[in-house]
Amino acid sequence: GAGVSQTPSNKVTEKGKYVELRCDPISGHTALYWYRQSLGQGPEFLIYFQGTGAADDSGLPNDRFFAVRPEGSVSTLKIQRTERGDSAVYLCASSFRDRASTDTQYFGPGTRLTVL
Amino acid sequence: GENVEQHPSTLSVQEGDSAVIKCTYSDSASNYFPWYKQELGKRPQLIIDIRSNVGEKKDQRIAVTLNKTAKHFSLHITETQPEDSAVYFCAASIRGSARQLTFGSGTQLTVLP
Repeated sequence: GAGVSQTPSNKVTEKGKYVELRCDPISGHTALYWYRQSLGQGPEFLIYFQGTGAADDSGLPNDRFFAVRPEGSVSTLKIQRTERGDSAVYLCASSFRDRASTDTQYFGPGTRLTVL
Repeated sequence: GENVEQHPSTLSVQEGDSAVIKCTYSDSASNYFPWYKQELGKRPQLIIDIRSNVGEKKDQRIAVTLNKTAKHFSLHITETQPEDSAVYFCAASIRGSARQLTFGSGTQLTVLP
C-alpha cells in the first residue's frame, strides 16, 4: 500500500508567520512520530502520538510548536511565529504499535521548511 | 536521555570492498537498534535492525552486530556497489517507552567505481 505521505514537500515562509505541516501515516498505523532534521544531522525527535493523544511531546523545542492528530490518523504540526532557526526538514514516521514489541518506523519524504 | 555516537562521519571505499560503520549508545536500557539509509533529498529507509536478544543479524550483503556489554553496534556492508552510496544513520530506542528513536549524526558513504 501507500507509504507515509507529507505535504507540502517544500514550504518557504517569512519570519514571524504561522505554518502547518501535514502527515498522512500508513493506513492502520496507530503510532505517529514527528522528527526534525537539520542539514548534516540525524533526525531529532519532536513528538509521538499513540492514537489521538500525544503520548510524549518532550522533544518539542518550545511552546511555538504544537501538533494534533484529532482522528487518530492524519497529523498536523503547527509552528507559530516562525524563526530562522526553525528551518529544517520535518519528517513524519508511523508504525503499527504492538505493545509486546518494538515496531519499525516508516518515514515520510519530509517537508523542507525555509524561514526567511 | 539516550545519546548515540556514530563514526566515521565520512567513509570512501572502492567498489567491491567492505564498509563498516560503528555506533555507541549510552543508555543500557536501549534494546532496539535500527539502521536507516538516506539518499540525498529522500526519506530515511530502514535497511536492517537488531534487537538486544541477539548479537548478530545478516541480510544478504548487510549485517549488524551488537555488543550489549560495551554498548556498541556496527553495520557491515560487503561487496559494496555504487548504489550503496548514501548517508547511513544508526538509532536506538527503549522498549516500553514512547519508543522514540535517538539517531546518530550519520555517515556519508561513497563507493568509488
